Amino acid sequence: AQSVAQPEDQVNVAEGNPLTVKCTYSVSGNPYLFWYVQYPNRGLQFLLKYITGDNLVKGSYGFEAEFNKSQTSFHLKKPSALVSDSALYFCAVRDGSTGGFKTIFGAGTRLFVKA
Amino acid sequence: KAGVTQTPRYLIKTRGQQVTLSCSPISGHRSVSWYQQTPGQGLQFLFEYFSETQRNKGNFPGRFSGRQFSNSRSEMNVSTLELGDSALYLCASRAGQGTSYEQYFGPGTRLTVT
Repeated sequence: AQSVAQPEDQVNVAEGNPLTVKCTYSVSGNPYLFWYVQYPNRGLQFLLKYITGDNLVKGSYGFEAEFNKSQTSFHLKKPSALVSDSALYFCAVRDGSTGGFKTIFGAGTRLFVKA
Repeated sequence: KAGVTQTPRYLIKTRGQQVTLSCSPISGHRSVSWYQQTPGQGLQFLFEYFSETQRNKGNFPGRFSGRQFSNSRSEMNVSTLELGDSALYLCASRAGQGTSYEQYFGPGTRLTVT
């Protein structure tokens, strides 16, 4: 079965420090992987995706993610955290077992960046 | 381009009633997906429509249904509402062709069932 795991409910970092939000996945076939961010009382915003190609993908707001096939991971990273990065982050994977485009989301990781 | 819009933004219904939520995708997008977001279950996929055809359906009872119109606008309907249907319902649109796999989400409709 296709699945996404975000092992940390919450991540706390100090402003200016690097941040990592972890994600592991299980899919059949080639993974289509995504990160989304949700600010309070708003819908989700697309950050970045991995479909194919370079394992390090860069996205919006200075975020990047590294695809690791052997570890089935797609961790989100940022070299220097900002207080404004505080939000709920979701990792997602396309369910390749069906036709169309069914997306499975992880449970989400709440990021707190302290000034 | 205007983003994904959802109406209404907030809704209060009583058990047993039915409700219809509306979603207007980004202009030119042909794929619309619906999700239910709750604190306990997180984000759960409801269904996806592409060119007026339902292509995928999540594990929800038949009380949840949807449709898509020729202009790509979509509606979802929940009949015989239950307390557990209280949630934020999110709509997302996608171009649906090429490598544009990312989804663009609307602000959601907050449904409260009393």
